Amino acid sequence: GAVVSQHPSRVICKSGTSVKIECRSLDFQATTMFWYRQFPKQSLMLMATSNEGSKATYEQGVEKDKFLINHASLTLSTLTVTSAHPEDSSFYICSATVGARQALLFGQGTRLTVV
Amino acid sequence: GIQVEQSPPDLILQEGANSTLRCNFSDSVNNLQWFHQNPWGQLINLFYIPSGTKQNGRLSATTVATERYSLLYISSSQTTDSGVYFCAVERGNTPLVFGKGTRLSVIA
Repeated sequence: GAVVSQHPSRVICKSGTSVKIECRSLDFQATTMFWYRQFPKQSLMLMATSNEGSKATYEQGVEKDKFLINHASLTLSTLTVTSAHPEDSSFYICSATVGARQALLFGQGTRLTVV
Repeated sequence: GIQVEQSPPDLILQEGANSTLRCNFSDSVNNLQWFHQNPWGQLINLFYIPSGTKQNGRLSATTVATERYSLLYISSSQTTDSGVYFCAVERGNTPLVFGKGTRLSVIA
């Protein structure tokens, strides 16, 4: 069945480095994927909508140059956190809609820690 | 934009008990979904339910679109039901808007 696979599940990086998170749709094609950020004990905050073959649409307040999104194929979207700082530490989750009824499926999430 | 309110914010249940979670929204919607986030962070889609009633095992959901609310029923709760339950709605062609969730703890 349709699955959204996200990798890595956990990553620790040093301040100033960049981290890439991959989100893949398995057994279905996703022209649109969504990237969320979640702080501890809080709800999901939409960061951007990733569109295959075109530029991502970022939500207000999300830095485009900090969070680079690439959706190069119908099954892969990537989020790169550039020049990471400790305040970028968070839980990042990708998702995609499946089927005509647009049910939303989520990846496993990536817990990023910047030290 | 549309507002989504979930209640209660926190809930503690004894194993075997039943519960009802509520989601109120401020405007008409064309999409409403319920999700469960387990303690490890994985979000699972429980129901796509813009209107009507659906059941899946011990879980069922009802959305009364005209009155702008949805209910999620959990019967015979188990410890594995613990986690956070989110309601999310969509109006028009905009991305889903999530509520703040209900944090459920089921104790043995």
